[in-house]
Amino acid sequence: QVTLRESGPALVKPTQTLTLTCTFSGFSLSTSGMCVSWIRQPPGKALEWLALIDWDDDKYYSTSLKTRLTISKDTSKNQVVLTMTNMDPVDTATYYCARTIMTTHAFDIWGQGTMVTVSS
Amino acid sequence: AIQLTQSPSSLSASVGDRVTITCRASQGISSALAWYQQKPGKAPKLLIYDASSLESGVPSRFSGSGSGTDFTLTISSLQPEDFATYYCQQFNNYPPLTFGGGTKVEIK
Repeated sequence: QVTLRESGPALVKPTQTLTLTCTFSGFSLSTSGMCVSWIRQPPGKALEWLALIDWDDDKYYSTSLKTRLTISKDTSKNQVVLTMTNMDPVDTATYYCARTIMTTHAFDIWGQGTMVTVSS
Repeated sequence: AIQLTQSPSSLSASVGDRVTITCRASQGISSALAWYQQKPGKAPKLLIYDASSLESGVPSRFSGSGSGTDFTLTISSLQPEDFATYYCQQFNNYPPLTFGGGTKVEIK
């Protein structure tokens, strides 16, 4: 069974750096074709893709946020970490991690999400 | 960046109705389009990938079609559990990966 679970702080202050961890099981991120993405959703708004890391350690970022984002993986721990610098209240959202298998071109398994509020 | 425009943004329908949601891409994306269902407080759930392939375990009343720039998600007979928000998403040309703005399906 494939599962993903996000973890991180529920509250961060403006200008701080957010670090989120996605811990997964049931697949290996060293297997060809496997990818993990981070996606967020502000309250009442649409989904927004943030970043993707693939089995070959290639990394892709949102065009508008790429200067603030870093994605990395620890294959031995089955974890993907996202850092976002200079947090602002507009970054308040539920943050999801999700798996992609490149043959399907879709996010087939999602974590439950973690709500992050940016407030002083 | 490829923009995805969903229409309508919301609709009201009755149980048993046939419902169609459209997603238009700002440039051709072949068939690299997926559809998701999201219920309040829950993570999105994959319904359709590669424009028309039904994800395992998804009821057959859901279907997808289209290629290039125009895509549709059809629910052949709306069930009570189908009231939710639906999103399209493209995976053809990235970064960035993009989602549509969503279509909320409400009870009439």
